[in-house]
Amino acid sequence: DQQVKQNSPSLSVQEGRISILNCDYTNSMFDYFLWYKKYPAEGPTFLISISSIKDKNEDGRFTVFLNKSAKHLSLHIVPSQPGDSAVYFCAASGAFTDKLIFGTGTRLQVFP
Amino acid sequence: DADVTQTPRNRITKTGKRIMLECSQTKGHDRMYWYRQDPGLGLRLIYYSFDVKDINKGEISDGYSVSRQAQAKFSLSLESAIPNQTALYFCATSDGDRVTYGYTFGSGTRLTVV
Repeated sequence: DQQVKQNSPSLSVQEGRISILNCDYTNSMFDYFLWYKKYPAEGPTFLISISSIKDKNEDGRFTVFLNKSAKHLSLHIVPSQPGDSAVYFCAASGAFTDKLIFGTGTRLQVFP
Repeated sequence: DADVTQTPRNRITKTGKRIMLECSQTKGHDRMYWYRQDPGLGLRLIYYSFDVKDINKGEISDGYSVSRQAQAKFSLSLESAIPNQTALYFCATSDGDRVTYGYTFGSGTRLTVV
């Protein structure tokens, strides 16, 4: 049973516009959420995270929003750049577990 | 040198063969993990280890075994490879800090079982 879901396998956005990547989770015990970015032929790299005590966290062009009541988080990239083209994974963890649970990934393509 | 090194980068093997994927790290982290990535399924945990004497099964451990030879080394073995084990395999490490909780991943091993 997939506890972390990314329902959009792909997303295409024009350079300079906003990219919004979505992630849903089912386990209300998750209390920490992360986003990873993966380029071809490389391992995933940590991008940004958010604790469940917050509803927003920003880091430059990247902002993560958390809606606990809806069990939903989103990653906003503004403005999108061609170098942002990659696969993005959301992940979750909880105090009850010592490991991260990853979503299925969304492939973002930013075109000129 | 990379913080987390996986060898080999690519491997083609035949059904029924035993194969070992190796991972070494220079991060000094106690925690190490093996994941596999399949299209549409994301990253799924195979095995994880919190120190040399502590090894745990993940969600898809059947058909795999691991060995933690030292703090820095964590190997994944396929005892008798089968075609549905064709995937991209990643090793990762973490320091277990709940605040940062960031994993450092290797570049992956692409395994094809024919």
